[in-house]
Amino acid sequence: GAVVSQHPSWVICKSGTSVKIECRSLDFQATTMFWYRQFPKQSLMLMATSNEGSKATYEQGVEKDKFLINHASLTLSTLTVTSAHPEDSSFYICSARSPGGTDNQPQHFGDGTRLSIL
Amino acid sequence: GENVEQHPSTLSVQEGDSAVIKCTYSDSASNYFPWYKQELGKRPQLIIDIRSNVGEKKDQRIAVTLNKTAKHFSLHITETQPEDSAVYFCAVNPMDSSYKLIFGSGTRLLVRP
Repeated sequence: GAVVSQHPSWVICKSGTSVKIECRSLDFQATTMFWYRQFPKQSLMLMATSNEGSKATYEQGVEKDKFLINHASLTLSTLTVTSAHPEDSSFYICSARSPGGTDNQPQHFGDGTRLSIL
Repeated sequence: GENVEQHPSTLSVQEGDSAVIKCTYSDSASNYFPWYKQELGKRPQLIIDIRSNVGEKKDQRIAVTLNKTAKHFSLHITETQPEDSAVYFCAVNPMDSSYKLIFGSGTRLLVRP
């Protein structure tokens, strides 16, 4: 149980292109999903918390107009990197919180998307 | 905000030995502490977690201990095997309503056969 699917796994595109990444919870409903960015050999840096039916909560320093997050259903959150540039190249990974009321529940991660901007 | 420090950054042990990784946090109200294992190019996978009302939790060769007074928690792996080689991340949920996790910087564990 608690499977999270992320698509695509790899994207290579030209500078200026917008790229959409999808994160789906396959066997559970996730009211809350999270988007992280991970540089090589570094930790996971939380970018934003995606809340179903409401606006995402962005961490300090993350440009909300650059990284658009939409969580339109209980099983899907999307991250769109708008007008991507080489410095946006990174490993983007999502997670979904297991259902479980108000207690802390584990987060389950997708396989990540490696984004390369030429 | 919450600050999580993880040590050591790299750890090399002989197969069969124990490995210990330690994390400290700053917010005394934090209440949830998971550990994730990430193999190269793969997703982080939850290996064990502990809540603030528990001091220790064990699952086969893996254990986590929590010292709330000192604000630190540790991952213990006993009888290490080569397949334990990976990067391990601790994480902390700050005491707010978001359920978000703040991750440590990671420990690269190498188990030598």
